Amino acid sequence: AQSVTQPDIHITVSEGASLELRCNYSYGATPYLFWYVQSPGQGLQLLLKYFSGDTLVQGIKGFEAEFKRSQSSFNLRKPSVHWSDAAEYFCAVAERSSYKLIFGSGTRLLVRP
Amino acid sequence: NAGVTQTPKFQVLKTGQSMTLQCAQDMNHEYMSWYRQDPGMGLRLIHYSVGAGITDQGEVPNGYNVSRSTTEDFPLRLLSAAPSQTSVYFCASSINRASHYEQYFGPGTRLTVT
Repeated sequence: AQSVTQPDIHITVSEGASLELRCNYSYGATPYLFWYVQSPGQGLQLLLKYFSGDTLVQGIKGFEAEFKRSQSSFNLRKPSVHWSDAAEYFCAVAERSSYKLIFGSGTRLLVRP
Repeated sequence: NAGVTQTPKFQVLKTGQSMTLQCAQDMNHEYMSWYRQDPGMGLRLIHYSVGAGITDQGEVPNGYNVSRSTTEDFPLRLLSAAPSQTSVYFCASSINRASHYEQYFGPGTRLTVT
């Protein structure tokens, strides 16, 4: 069955430290890949997306993600976390022939001062 | 532009009651969708629409109806509310079919069914 896995429910980092959030997918072919962020009480905002080409993609707010086909992964990274990055982060995939956007269960990021 | 708006923000229903969650967008987007968000489960697609007059089911459509009579509006109807429908509901839209995944989300409606 097709699935998206975010193995970390919570992650806590200190402000200024680097961040990596993990995402693995299980699909027959390379899907479209996305990261969304949800601030408390808000809807979701698209951070970045991967369709094809360069496997390292840049997004908004200083985030980047790397697609690794051999590992079926699309991990989100940021070199230096700010307190305002505290939020919930969702990895999502879409089959190239489908309308359906499938979300992972999310990772909640806490930032220590 | 107001973007994607949802009303109400909060709602409490008794089991068996019906109601409609409203969603509107002013960006002339063709594609609209409804998700529910439950703890530990991410967002799950309920129904979606690729244009006025066209709707289809997502992952979890049971207990919900939708219609799309205009480009702007995409209401979600709960026919007979059940406690299992307690959730946060998000409406989203995108420009067209080809970019359905670049979705703009509304602020959500928190629904409690007692």
